[in-house]
Amino acid sequence: NAGVTQTPKFQVLKTGQSMTLQCAQDMNHNSMYWYRQDPGMGLRLIYYSASEGTTDKGEVPNGYNVSRLNKREFSLRLESAAPSQTSVYFCASSEGVLGGIQYFGAGTRLSVL
Amino acid sequence: DAKTTQPNSMESNEEEPVHLPCNHSTISGTDYIHWYRQLPSQGPEYVIHGLTSNVNNRMASLAIAEDRKSSTLILHRATLRDAAVYYCIRLNSGGSNYKLTFGKGTLLTVNP
Repeated sequence: NAGVTQTPKFQVLKTGQSMTLQCAQDMNHNSMYWYRQDPGMGLRLIYYSASEGTTDKGEVPNGYNVSRLNKREFSLRLESAAPSQTSVYFCASSEGVLGGIQYFGAGTRLSVL
Repeated sequence: DAKTTQPNSMESNEEEPVHLPCNHSTISGTDYIHWYRQLPSQGPEYVIHGLTSNVNNRMASLAIAEDRKSSTLILHRATLRDAAVYYCIRLNSGGSNYKLTFGKGTLLTVNP
């Protein structure tokens, strides 16, 4: 059972380039989340999808877009990368019920030069 | 405000118990208390959660104060693998958006 899979694991971009971070879960979870983590900080929520077909902004959505492609997949897109988006990005999923546990992927380490 | 207060760091010796405190003085009656931990260079992993009663699982125990304004995560015998950042999170039960709000957590160092 793979859980939450993120690709790629590492990426280096130049300022202004675009890219999409992919996330897939095989636990049949309803809800999925994208977080970013800057050095020495806790995770901050970028966007989330409470259920298939819905997406909502989190704490730091500016500069990002998301797509809930189907129940399994939730992608995060940077249209025009900026150095301030250098971070580690984590995807998570949960059943989407009260008290539900979130399961996290291993992360994508992104550097924007 | 869904914030919690934790010490920045704590230190323990291997095979000794560890008590990690968390204050959540403004918690509402239906907010769950979740604990996650993050090992170096990994994503967070769930540890334990509770509402009112103390909880035990194979990883840890969670002791919740009677007034629910604080809780303590207990690792019964710390190992080197338990060295991580531990996050105490108040999970807002309002609506259907069960979002975790992470603070900076407590960095636990385990000495051999």
